[in-house]
Amino acid sequence: DGGITQSPKYLFRKEGQNVTLSCEQNLNHDAMYWYRQDPGQGLRLIYYSQIVNDFQKGDIAEGYSVSREKKESFPLTVTSAQKNPTAFYLCASKADRLFREQFFGPGTRLTVL
Amino acid sequence: AQKVTQAQTEISVVEKEDVTLDCVYETRDTTYYLFWYKQPPSGELVFLIRRNSFDEQNEISGRYSWNFQKSTSSFNFTITASQVVDSAVYFCALSAYSGAGSYQLTFGKGTKLSVIP
Repeated sequence: DGGITQSPKYLFRKEGQNVTLSCEQNLNHDAMYWYRQDPGQGLRLIYYSQIVNDFQKGDIAEGYSVSREKKESFPLTVTSAQKNPTAFYLCASKADRLFREQFFGPGTRLTVL
Repeated sequence: AQKVTQAQTEISVVEKEDVTLDCVYETRDTTYYLFWYKQPPSGELVFLIRRNSFDEQNEISGRYSWNFQKSTSSFNFTITASQVVDSAVYFCALSAYSGAGSYQLTFGKGTKLSVIP
């Protein structure tokens, strides 16, 4: 089955710790995205990558970092510099930079204790 | 800059009632796409429909229908004879050119629909 997987589904972190969220896709898509969702705020773009070894900041990149070493993988690290990291994180992909529709993974809920 | 407004934060209806979710958008692009996504309690966003800016025909898919009106920059979503399984958060989104040869999605804040048995 083709799709996007995110792990873990739930993640708990102590303040001051970095944590990495996994996102893998087997759709052979070039472009991948990370969004953050807070209650009542909709989805906000953190980072995106249109091709391997390249990525750009989205609207709320501060306190986050990413890498894109493989086409199928786009991990997101939430660093200790992120002031309020508790949120629901969604990964998405689309075929290429010109394509319009994005496909989403099941999400990771991060809670900072 | 693109903007999507979903003025209805939460809506509650009784099962079998019809319900319309409103979406108003802003963009300077002449070519753009509009989307509706459903987010059930499990969290994953499920794609429902895509429309491009040149196609104003209304679309019906089972109990779902969409009304696209460029004159009012609206792309409204109607569920006929609502069911409890329709309970979810619904997002309207706009895809337009965002520079550097890429197209990004701009989301509304979502409308939470509760269907009461």
